[in-house]
Amino acid sequence: DTAVSQTPKYLVTQMGNDKSIKCEQNLGHDTMYWYKQDSKKFLKIMFSYNNKELIINETVPNRFSPKSPDKAHLNLHINSLELGDSAVYFCASSQVEGKKAFFGQGTRLTVV
Amino acid sequence: AQSVTQLDSHVSVSEGTPVLLRCNYSSSYSPSLFWYVQHPNKGLQLLLKYTSAATLVKGINGFEAEFKKSETSFHLTKPSAHMSDAAEYFCVVSVSEYGNKLVFGAGTILRVKS
Repeated sequence: DTAVSQTPKYLVTQMGNDKSIKCEQNLGHDTMYWYKQDSKKFLKIMFSYNNKELIINETVPNRFSPKSPDKAHLNLHINSLELGDSAVYFCASSQVEGKKAFFGQGTRLTVV
Repeated sequence: AQSVTQLDSHVSVSEGTPVLLRCNYSSSYSPSLFWYVQHPNKGLQLLLKYTSAATLVKGINGFEAEFKKSETSFHLTKPSAHMSDAAEYFCVVSVSEYGNKLVFGAGTILRVKS
Protein backbone atom coordinates (compact mmCIF):
# COMPACT_ATOMS: atom_id res chain seq x y z
CA ASP A 1 0.00 0.00 0.00
CA THR A 2 1.27 3.44 -0.88
CA ALA A 3 1.90 5.52 2.22
CA VAL A 4 1.92 8.95 0.61
CA SER A 5 0.41 9.31 -2.82
CA GLN A 6 0.20 12.39 -4.96
CA THR A 7 -1.51 12.93 -8.29
CA PRO A 8 -0.85 13.63 -11.02
CA LYS A 9 2.69 12.43 -11.54
CA TYR A 10 3.18 14.73 -14.51
CA LEU A 11 1.37 17.99 -15.25
CA VAL A 12 1.93 20.19 -18.27
CA THR A 13 -0.06 23.41 -18.52
CA GLN A 14 0.00 26.88 -19.99
CA MET A 15 0.91 30.09 -18.25
CA GLY A 16 -1.97 31.74 -16.49
CA ASN A 17 -3.87 28.55 -15.78
CA ASP A 18 -4.96 27.35 -12.34
CA LYS A 19 -4.04 23.83 -11.33
CA SER A 20 -4.12 21.54 -8.32
CA ILE A 21 -1.96 18.69 -7.10
CA LYS A 22 -3.52 16.23 -4.70
CA CYS A 23 -1.84 14.45 -1.83
CA GLU A 24 -3.13 11.73 0.45
CA GLN A 25 -1.45 9.80 3.26
CA ASN A 26 -2.75 6.65 4.90
CA LEU A 27 -0.29 6.62 7.78
CA GLY A 28 -2.41 8.45 10.29
CA HIS A 29 0.19 11.20 10.55
CA ASP A 30 -0.68 14.57 12.00
CA THR A 31 1.63 16.73 9.91
CA MET A 32 1.80 17.06 6.14
CA TYR A 33 4.16 19.11 4.00
CA TRP A 34 4.64 20.43 0.52
CA TYR A 35 8.15 20.86 -0.84
CA LYS A 36 9.41 22.34 -4.09
CA GLN A 37 12.51 20.88 -5.69
CA ASP A 38 14.32 23.44 -7.76
CA SER A 39 16.59 22.90 -10.77
CA LYS A 40 19.57 22.32 -8.51
CA LYS A 41 17.74 19.52 -6.71
CA PHE A 42 17.28 21.54 -3.51
CA LEU A 43 14.17 20.72 -1.53
CA LYS A 44 12.54 23.84 -0.20
CA ILE A 45 9.66 23.63 2.19
CA MET A 46 6.55 25.48 1.11
CA PHE A 47 3.89 24.56 3.63
CA SER A 48 3.36 22.45 6.66
CA TYR A 49 -0.04 21.55 8.11
CA ASN A 50 -0.59 20.16 11.56
CA ASN A 51 -4.16 19.27 12.49
CA LYS A 52 -5.44 21.61 9.78
CA GLU A 53 -3.43 24.56 10.95
CA LEU A 54 -0.76 26.13 8.82
CA ILE A 55 2.40 26.17 10.87
CA ILE A 56 5.07 26.98 8.30
CA ASN A 57 4.87 29.17 5.23
CA GLU A 58 8.27 29.89 3.78
CA THR A 59 7.74 33.11 1.81
CA VAL A 60 5.75 31.33 -0.86
CA PRO A 61 3.78 33.53 -3.26
CA ASN A 62 0.12 33.75 -2.39
CA ARG A 63 -0.71 32.19 -5.75
CA PHE A 64 0.07 28.95 -3.95
CA SER A 65 -2.47 27.82 -1.42
CA PRO A 66 -2.65 24.55 0.49
CA LYS A 67 -6.05 23.03 1.17
CA SER A 68 -6.52 20.36 3.80
CA PRO A 69 -10.04 18.91 3.80
CA ASP A 70 -9.03 16.41 6.48
CA LYS A 71 -5.98 15.09 8.24
CA ALA A 72 -5.18 12.62 5.50
CA HIS A 73 -5.16 15.12 2.64
CA LEU A 74 -3.17 18.22 1.77
CA ASN A 75 -3.78 19.51 -1.73
CA LEU A 76 -1.76 22.24 -3.40
CA HIS A 77 -3.59 24.82 -5.48
CA ILE A 78 -1.69 27.13 -7.77
CA ASN A 79 -3.33 30.11 -9.44
CA SER A 80 -2.08 32.05 -12.45
CA LEU A 81 0.79 29.70 -13.16
CA GLU A 82 4.09 31.23 -14.22
CA LEU A 83 7.04 29.75 -16.07
CA GLY A 84 9.09 29.86 -12.89
CA ASP A 85 6.66 27.53 -11.19
CA SER A 86 8.01 24.66 -13.27
CA ALA A 87 9.56 22.22 -10.82
CA VAL A 88 8.97 18.98 -9.04
CA TYR A 89 6.67 19.22 -6.06
CA PHE A 90 6.81 16.71 -3.23
CA CYS A 91 4.22 15.97 -0.63
CA ALA A 92 5.27 14.43 2.68
CA SER A 93 3.87 13.50 6.05
CA SER A 94 5.22 12.83 9.51
CA GLN A 95 3.98 12.37 13.04
CA VAL A 96 3.56 15.56 14.97
CA GLU A 97 6.59 14.72 17.11
CA GLY A 98 8.75 15.34 14.07
CA LYS A 99 9.82 11.80 13.36
CA LYS A 100 10.73 10.42 9.98
CA ALA A 101 8.96 12.04 7.06
CA PHE A 102 7.48 9.90 4.33
CA PHE A 103 7.51 11.36 0.85
CA GLY A 104 5.28 10.99 -2.16
CA GLN A 105 6.78 10.19 -5.53
CA GLY A 106 6.69 13.79 -6.71
CA THR A 107 4.74 15.72 -9.32
CA ARG A 108 6.65 17.21 -12.22
CA LEU A 109 4.95 20.46 -13.16
CA THR A 110 5.87 22.05 -16.48
CA VAL A 111 4.48 25.46 -17.35
CA VAL A 112 4.69 26.40 -21.03
CA ALA B 1 17.51 0.50 -8.94
CA GLN B 2 18.51 3.11 -6.43
CA SER B 3 18.60 2.66 -2.71
CA VAL B 4 19.98 4.35 0.34
CA THR B 5 21.00 2.65 3.56
CA GLN B 6 21.65 4.59 6.72
CA LEU B 7 23.53 2.16 8.85
CA ASP B 8 22.48 3.48 12.25
CA SER B 9 18.96 4.32 13.31
CA HIS B 10 20.24 6.11 16.43
CA VAL B 11 23.56 7.75 17.23
CA SER B 12 24.39 9.20 20.63
CA VAL B 13 27.43 11.43 21.25
CA SER B 14 28.62 13.78 23.94
CA GLU B 15 28.75 17.49 23.29
CA GLY B 16 32.11 18.47 21.85
CA THR B 17 32.90 15.02 20.43
CA PRO B 18 32.92 14.08 16.74
CA VAL B 19 29.80 13.04 14.87
CA LEU B 20 29.69 10.30 12.25
CA LEU B 21 26.44 9.39 10.49
CA ARG B 22 26.88 6.62 7.96
CA CYS B 23 25.22 6.32 4.58
CA ASN B 24 25.68 3.84 1.76
CA TYR B 25 23.92 4.06 -1.56
CA SER B 26 23.41 2.05 -4.68
CA SER B 27 22.71 3.61 -8.03
CA SER B 28 22.94 2.58 -11.64
CA TYR B 29 23.80 6.10 -12.68
CA SER B 30 25.92 8.98 -11.46
CA PRO B 31 24.03 10.05 -8.39
CA SER B 32 23.46 13.33 -6.71
CA LEU B 33 23.61 12.88 -2.97
CA PHE B 34 22.23 15.02 -0.19
CA TRP B 35 22.05 15.19 3.55
CA TYR B 36 18.99 16.77 5.13
CA VAL B 37 18.24 17.50 8.76
CA GLN B 38 14.82 17.62 10.36
CA HIS B 39 14.26 19.16 13.76
CA PRO B 40 11.04 18.39 15.61
CA ASN B 41 8.01 20.06 14.03
CA LYS B 42 10.16 21.58 11.32
CA GLY B 43 10.55 20.77 7.66
CA LEU B 44 13.64 19.35 6.04
CA GLN B 45 16.67 21.57 5.83
CA LEU B 46 19.43 20.89 3.33
CA LEU B 47 22.81 20.42 4.97
CA LEU B 48 24.90 19.73 1.90
CA LYS B 49 24.88 18.14 -1.52
CA TYR B 50 27.22 16.28 -3.82
CA THR B 51 26.77 16.61 -7.58
CA SER B 52 29.97 15.16 -9.12
CA ALA B 53 32.21 18.09 -8.26
CA ALA B 54 34.57 17.92 -5.29
CA THR B 55 34.27 14.66 -3.38
CA LEU B 56 34.57 16.39 -0.02
CA VAL B 57 31.53 18.56 0.44
CA LYS B 58 31.21 21.19 3.13
CA GLY B 59 27.79 22.16 4.36
CA ILE B 60 26.16 24.38 6.90
CA ASN B 61 26.69 24.29 10.67
CA GLY B 62 30.13 22.71 10.35
CA PHE B 63 28.98 19.50 8.71
CA GLU B 64 30.78 17.86 5.83
CA ALA B 65 30.51 14.65 3.86
CA GLU B 66 32.87 12.73 1.63
CA PHE B 67 31.72 10.93 -1.48
CA LYS B 68 33.63 7.65 -1.89
CA LYS B 69 32.66 5.93 -5.09
CA SER B 70 34.70 2.80 -4.40
CA GLU B 71 32.85 2.32 -1.12
CA THR B 72 29.51 3.71 -2.38
CA SER B 73 29.42 5.78 0.77
CA PHE B 74 28.52 9.34 1.67
CA HIS B 75 29.07 9.60 5.41
CA LEU B 76 28.24 12.80 7.27
CA THR B 77 30.71 14.13 9.83
CA LYS B 78 31.21 17.02 12.19
CA PRO B 79 34.33 17.56 14.29
CA SER B 80 32.50 18.72 17.41
CA ALA B 81 28.86 18.11 18.28
CA HIS B 82 26.66 20.83 19.66
CA MET B 83 23.45 20.38 21.58
CA SER B 84 21.54 22.07 18.76
CA ASP B 85 22.65 19.30 16.38
CA ALA B 86 20.20 16.89 18.01
CA ALA B 87 17.74 16.04 15.24
CA GLU B 88 16.99 13.42 12.61
CA TYR B 89 19.24 13.24 9.57
CA PHE B 90 18.35 11.85 6.17
CA CYS B 91 20.67 10.70 3.43
CA VAL B 92 19.06 11.14 0.01
CA VAL B 93 20.02 10.05 -3.48
CA SER B 94 18.66 11.63 -6.63
CA VAL B 95 19.23 9.94 -9.96
CA SER B 96 19.74 12.43 -12.77
CA GLU B 97 18.05 10.31 -15.38
CA TYR B 98 14.75 10.52 -13.59
CA GLY B 99 15.18 13.96 -12.10
CA ASN B 100 12.06 13.80 -10.02
CA LYS B 101 12.92 10.68 -8.10
CA LEU B 102 14.37 11.10 -4.65
CA VAL B 103 15.19 8.09 -2.56
CA PHE B 104 15.37 8.75 1.15
CA GLY B 105 17.23 6.72 3.72
CA ALA B 106 15.38 5.61 6.82
CA GLY B 107 16.89 8.39 8.88
CA THR B 108 19.32 8.55 11.79
CA ILE B 109 18.32 10.18 15.05
CA LEU B 110 21.25 12.02 16.59
CA ARG B 111 21.24 12.57 20.32
CA VAL B 112 23.76 14.90 21.93
CA LYS B 113 24.48 14.50 25.63
CA SER B 114 25.73 17.33 27.75
